[in-house]
Amino acid sequence: SQQGEEDPQALSIQEGENATMNCSYKTSINNLQWYRQNSGRGLVHLILIRSNEREKHSGRLRVTLDTSKKSSSLLITASRAADTASYFCAITLTGGGNKLTFGTGTQLKVEL
Amino acid sequence: DSGVTQTPKHLITATGQRVTLRCSPRSGDLSVYWYQQSLDQGLQFLIQYYNGEERAKGNILERFSAQQFPDLHSELNLSSLELGDSALYFCASSGVSGDTGELFFGEGSRLTVL
Repeated sequence: SQQGEEDPQALSIQEGENATMNCSYKTSINNLQWYRQNSGRGLVHLILIRSNEREKHSGRLRVTLDTSKKSSSLLITASRAADTASYFCAITLTGGGNKLTFGTGTQLKVEL
Repeated sequence: DSGVTQTPKHLITATGQRVTLRCSPRSGDLSVYWYQQSLDQGLQFLIQYYNGEERAKGNILERFSAQQFPDLHSELNLSSLELGDSALYFCASSGVSGDTGELFFGEGSRLTVL
């Protein structure tokens, strides 16, 4: 499958801790994005990183991209209970047109 | 609020029936994407339209069809429904037709086929 594979599938941490999620993919990409989904709701875009970028920050989010290893990580620092959600990576393939291919997701639970 | 509106929010129907899901993109967005989310298949890209033209196709079944109208709203038609079609169907829009940028998702239409 060309879609991203997230690791871990589920993650449970205490409020205030950092959460790290990883995404691996198998082919060349144009960009990689991270989305968040609260249970049964629509997805919300978090951050986009292009294939020529290595790291990007947005608030408490830090995303890295290693195209040689075909992997990305999403770090959420100082997590809050409100961060509880599923997190998906999504890739746009080189030459793949416009479709955004989503990974399998990581379910994050942040406990008080 | 993403600005993308999907109707209906919930739909329950029987096998063999046909349903139409509707999507209004964000004001000014020309691209509309349809995705299916189910427990066993995850988020699957179905189809994309840009300014009324089909731009990319994914794992869309022949029983499914979509179109984008001149006012840019889109409809996804699902026919000869099967139990396995039960899923959340998302519409998303973006203003970029080339290299896919950020997508704005609606809240989805939850289809239950009995």
